[in-house]
Amino acid sequence: SQELEQSPQSLIVQEGKNLTINCTSSKTLYGLYWYKQKYGEGLIFLMMLQKGGEEKSHEKITAKLDEKKQQSSLHITASQPSHAGIYLCGADNPNSGYALNFGKGTSLLVTP
Amino acid sequence: DAGVIQSPRHEVTEMGQEVTLRCKPISGHDYLFWYRQTMMRGLELLIYFNNNVPIDDSGMPEDRFSAKMPNASFSTLKIQPSEPRDSAVYFCASSALGLVGPQHFGDGTRLSIL
Repeated sequence: SQELEQSPQSLIVQEGKNLTINCTSSKTLYGLYWYKQKYGEGLIFLMMLQKGGEEKSHEKITAKLDEKKQQSSLHITASQPSHAGIYLCGADNPNSGYALNFGKGTSLLVTP
Repeated sequence: DAGVIQSPRHEVTEMGQEVTLRCKPISGHDYLFWYRQTMMRGLELLIYFNNNVPIDDSGMPEDRFSAKMPNASFSTLKIQPSEPRDSAVYFCASSALGLVGPQHFGDGTRLSIL
């Protein structure tokens, strides 16, 4: 089965700093999704990547899917307290019949 | 537009009791998913439906768990009898594009079994 490993597990950054979260798959990624979860709430969809080399941006968040389609990164520029939360990557696996497999998440705290 | 609605938001009950979690998907979405989130195992898919029909329930942990979708606007996840190890946050999600496309999540039900 496909496994998704996220790194780091947790991150504390000062407001205004840049940061990167990685998601590495044990198998080829056919569709990669980034979600954000605020503490005590549900997951909010951020971006979906499907093609190797694809890059998408939304406000100050940029996500990339590498050419070999086994790793994705999420980059936040000039972090703000509103960026705090848990970031999860999820992946399609058309061979398993499952909907999405998820990584365990990266917890982000942004300090003033 | 209303998002995915789950109830209750919190449930505390004693071991052995029956627990029923409810979900109303976004109108027009034909896929519905039930997930469970714990610190140890992260977010795990339990079961998903397409047009009210269960497609894959291999993630359901054991026979104590059952899920139904009697119509396009309502689904239930039932645990009977409940055990302390079932304590977790249970999420429902729906999507219009099925297995390829973003899923929209509810705010979850935080379940505690004493």
